[in-house]
Amino acid sequence: AQKITQTQPGMFVQEKEAVTLDCTYDTSDPSYGLFWYKQPSSGEMIFLIYQGSYDQQNATEGRYSLNFQKARKSANLVISASQLGDSAMYFCAMREGHGGATNKLIFGTGTLLAVQP
Amino acid sequence: EAEVAQSPRYKITEKSQAVAFWCDPISGHATLYWYRQILGQGPELLVQFQDESVVDDSQLPKDRFSAERLKGVDSTLKIQPAELGDSAMYLCASSLQGSTNEQFFGPGTRLTVL
Repeated sequence: AQKITQTQPGMFVQEKEAVTLDCTYDTSDPSYGLFWYKQPSSGEMIFLIYQGSYDQQNATEGRYSLNFQKARKSANLVISASQLGDSAMYFCAMREGHGGATNKLIFGTGTLLAVQP
Repeated sequence: EAEVAQSPRYKITEKSQAVAFWCDPISGHATLYWYRQILGQGPELLVQFQDESVVDDSQLPKDRFSAERLKGVDSTLKIQPAELGDSAMYLCASSLQGSTNEQFFGPGTRLTVL
């Protein structure tokens, strides 16, 4: 069965430094999508970045980049130049298939990031 | 900027009472999702609609939960009767039909059952 594992319950990082949040996944489907969402204390889920299983290049969005290692089934999120506003819960998620009839997301348990001044 | 709307933002109820949550997806988004997020966990899909049809409700506790999207636009999720274990954040999301990418989430409804 498909599964997302986030092994870091919490992380600290100093402001302006880079931080890597780990995510590993398990699926037997050759076609899948990997997502990272940010959830501040207010509760809404904010989309950060997406990586398709057939994408040749690692995805980047501003200060966010996804370190996609397909053979290791890992999709780590790298946040460069951390800001105080980055303090939040971060979730890794996976969608199996091509987004056909059912394209639900399977989420990990999240990593709580605290950025220290 | 278009957003997914949800109401209420917070709901406190007593067990055995009925509660209902409302979601209005981004205009033009044919696919609508209801997720439940228990404290300390990631969201879990309860039900997915494609227009007005249910595509996946395999994780919906159908003895007490119901969901509808009558005109294929906004949606209501109902719990009757509520139980203590239903205390959670209920998140609604929407996406374009057939989209393989981003699901846009609403602010959620935080339910507390006493």
